[in-house]
Amino acid sequence: ETGVTQTPRHLVMGMTNKKSLKCEQHLGHNAMYWYKQSAKKPLELMFVYSLEERVENNSVPSRFSPECPNSSHLFLHLHTLQPEDSALYLCASSQMLALHEQFFGPGTRLTVL
Amino acid sequence: KNEVEQSPQNLTAQEGEFITINCSYSVGISALHWLQQHPGGGIVSLFMLSSGKKKHGRLIATINIQEKHSSLHITASHPRDSAVYICAVRGSQGNLIFGKGTKLSVKP
Repeated sequence: ETGVTQTPRHLVMGMTNKKSLKCEQHLGHNAMYWYKQSAKKPLELMFVYSLEERVENNSVPSRFSPECPNSSHLFLHLHTLQPEDSALYLCASSQMLALHEQFFGPGTRLTVL
Repeated sequence: KNEVEQSPQNLTAQEGEFITINCSYSVGISALHWLQQHPGGGIVSLFMLSSGKKKHGRLIATINIQEKHSSLHITASHPRDSAVYICAVRGSQGNLIFGKGTKLSVKP
């Protein structure tokens, strides 16, 4: 495996479910990001981790909970989501925080019923 | 008004046509990115620019810092170029601000 991988690629969940999205990067990067992409809206940066520490949280509701156990893995834990949370969730990584190009994963298409 | 504006929002072209996608921004930046997003979601970084012009194959990206404007050109377009092209600027604090994207469809 190379690059940035995300699982699952598609997820359908009810509002009372708890699920997790997983991101893994095989590039030796030390910064990882979660983005949300809703229809007809720009990409929204949700969380930034650098060296496994959260360095940015852009006013994301607490029903989204990130976890970065090591520099290669990033999780987004989901609970009691709303239908408006349905979107494409993209993970990205970069070699250094902010200054270098970000490599994106393929995304997880989330549908909340 | 968004800090990053792209035009057009949608673009349909015939195979072989020369294509231009524009990006204007209103904030100070340290760099500008052009990204390509294919159906299914995956995003690929095409260019990172801070001045001048870059070329990669049939793709050319230019930036005019004074006018706060960048263009992405595709020469001899092909149906496999069909994708959403996203302009993103990196602000002076390192934050990335994205445009809404331009959906390109190239017909054979």
